[in-house]
Amino acid sequence: DAKTTQPTSMDCAEGRAANLPCNHSTISGNEYVYWYRQIHSQGPQYIIHGLKNNETNEMASLIITEDRKSSTLILPHATLRDTAVYYCIVRRVDTGRRALTFGSGTRLQVQP
Amino acid sequence: DAGVTQSPTHLIKTRGQQVTLRCSPKSGHDTVSWYQQALGQGPQFIFQYYEEEERQRGNFPDRFSGHQFPNYSSELNVNALLLGDSALYLCASSPDSPLGGYTFGSGTRLTVV
Repeated sequence: DAKTTQPTSMDCAEGRAANLPCNHSTISGNEYVYWYRQIHSQGPQYIIHGLKNNETNEMASLIITEDRKSSTLILPHATLRDTAVYYCIVRRVDTGRRALTFGSGTRLQVQP
Repeated sequence: DAGVTQSPTHLIKTRGQQVTLRCSPKSGHDTVSWYQQALGQGPQFIFQYYEEEERQRGNFPDRFSGHQFPNYSSELNVNALLLGDSALYLCASSPDSPLGGYTFGSGTRLTVV
């Protein structure tokens, strides 16, 4: 699976949009981009995933560049409960390659 | 609908001992994966079980072994515990599909003294 690069930490004001970048310049055609987050003392929580089109769900939006070498997770109106470590994961989706490979993630601190 | 359940939540063991951690997957999920998370780091993949067999394994020694039961629940066993095995052990379940989303439990905090 391709490696990802994320900033170590970010701050965001409550109520503002949080934009978390991820670089995955070696991504290949059969690899999806997944985002998970981990709130303190809990297990990781799935947020969203995408292949090449932008995706949106009730939690967030995922913007993937046209060349697929980077992506941005957008939390449209961050709240204090969004304070967590956010992991960008590139995952090959085919038989036998099912595991998630976590990096160090981005620690997002939402400020009141 | 219960999510992934892990037990115990906390555990203290002595170096050299053996430990067994347990996981009940989310209803409808038949695949179970185990991860180790050291303090301040991201989770590291240990292995994955499907149809009671180990399907994929990460870079962990043979001291780490597992089992999956017919009801899809799973156990993680660690023998000859080392101080470095102290970590949060996470269980994740998923349906058996290529895009299967993982649901994680809250983990078992293992401390080896």
